[in-house]
Order: sequence, then structure tokens, then C-alpha cells
Amino acid sequence: ETGVTQTPRHLVMGMTNKKSLKCEQHLGHNAMYWYKQSAKKPLELMFVYSLEERVENNSVPSRFSPECPNSSHLFLHLHTLQPEDSALYLCASSQDAGTGPDLGPLHFGNGTRLTVT
Amino acid sequence: GDSVTQMEGPVTLSEEAFLTINCTYTATGYPSLFWYVQYPGEGLQLLLKATKADDKGSNKGFEATYRKETTSFHLEKGSVQVSDSAVYFCALNDYGGSQGNLIFGKGTKLSVKP
Repeated sequence: ETGVTQTPRHLVMGMTNKKSLKCEQHLGHNAMYWYKQSAKKPLELMFVYSLEERVENNSVPSRFSPECPNSSHLFLHLHTLQPEDSALYLCASSQDAGTGPDLGPLHFGNGTRLTVT
Repeated sequence: GDSVTQMEGPVTLSEEAFLTINCTYTATGYPSLFWYVQYPGEGLQLLLKATKADDKGSNKGFEATYRKETTSFHLEKGSVQVSDSAVYFCALNDYGGSQGNLIFGKGTKLSVKP
């Protein structure tokens, strides 16, 4: 049983749709993350939230909009996506998003498999 | 910038075979190094880590030693099982950059046949 829960597990959407991915962590962590996992590419960090404040945005297109209403919940709002946005979207959490030498570990959810048609 | 390079997969082994998955890194500072594992249909889980040179991380029969002189963190297991079939990711903690961003390799898929 993972401490990080993502819904839905699978999502198919058209390019004109608006949908949201949800992530919830039950670990009491202060930092939450969105990663994109595409075939044959390294995991890409999209967003980092620390204590509900966004602290990292790795030049992600504006068609992806994160929301962190509290330290346990994280959303990724999607609109007017492109077929190349099809991927596995992983949520993760950690105790802190600090800059010390001992970051980890990250605790990942099982991901949402997104297909954009 | 910092980066991680893993051996290309997939790797196919018979049960009880010896496993090595190579990982080398490039970093300006002294990062912490990690191996994560992703079982089918699941997210990534931390397998082991090492935070300084010559440290050895170990878990579930897997080991990796932080080699600063060769900038490597190769994953090894003496006798693999079918249940070890998964994708393995090497990563480093780029804490010298922004907010402790983990940098991942592309992953190596391991298939273990009975």
C-alpha cells in the first residue's frame, strides 16, 4: 500500500478537453512533486511544492497548471494538450525539499497513464 | 550540467545469474547517489543510496558502491530472482542546484527468466 495515491490510473483525453490529475500523500511530508515519464527518456521534473508554495517550475508549458491547496494534496490541471504530452505522470513526496546532501527518499505514487488523442 | 548515464537495456538474465547494471555520473560537487526500482504498473521506490565516496548502499541483496575516482555507482546482485524483473533507475541529488532536484538516468529494464 503506497503512501502516495494518484487518481485516475488511466486517462484518455482529446486535445480540447480539460482534465485534472490528483495526488494525495498520507506520509506527513512537506514537499510534493510532479514528474513526467516518457518512453526512452529520463524522468522529467515538472513542479516542486514545499509547504504548499511552488518552488520549482522547470519551464513547463502553461497547458500544465499545478495546484497545491494543502501539504497533503497536489493537482495537475490539463488543458489543450498535445499528443506528445502522452506519458506516465508521477507524483512524489518527500519530508522536505531542502538543499542538503540527504534529500531522499522520494515516495512515488503509481502514476496516471495519460493518452492524448 | 550534472547528468547520469546508465547502460542501455533491456537486460535479460536467467534466475540465479549475477547482475550488474552500470551507472556513471557527472557532477560538479559531491552528490548523493541513488538506485530506484519501478515494478510493472507501479511508481518508483528507493532501493538503496550512498551519500559519500566509498559508501556502499545495500538492500534486498542489491549493492552499489560510490566510486568517486571512476564517478560510478554500479548496481550488483549475486543471484537474481524472477521477482527482480523491473526497471532500475540510477539518480543523483543535485543539491548544489535548486531545491534538491533528483537527476535520473533513463532506466534499465531487467527481465529475469525462470
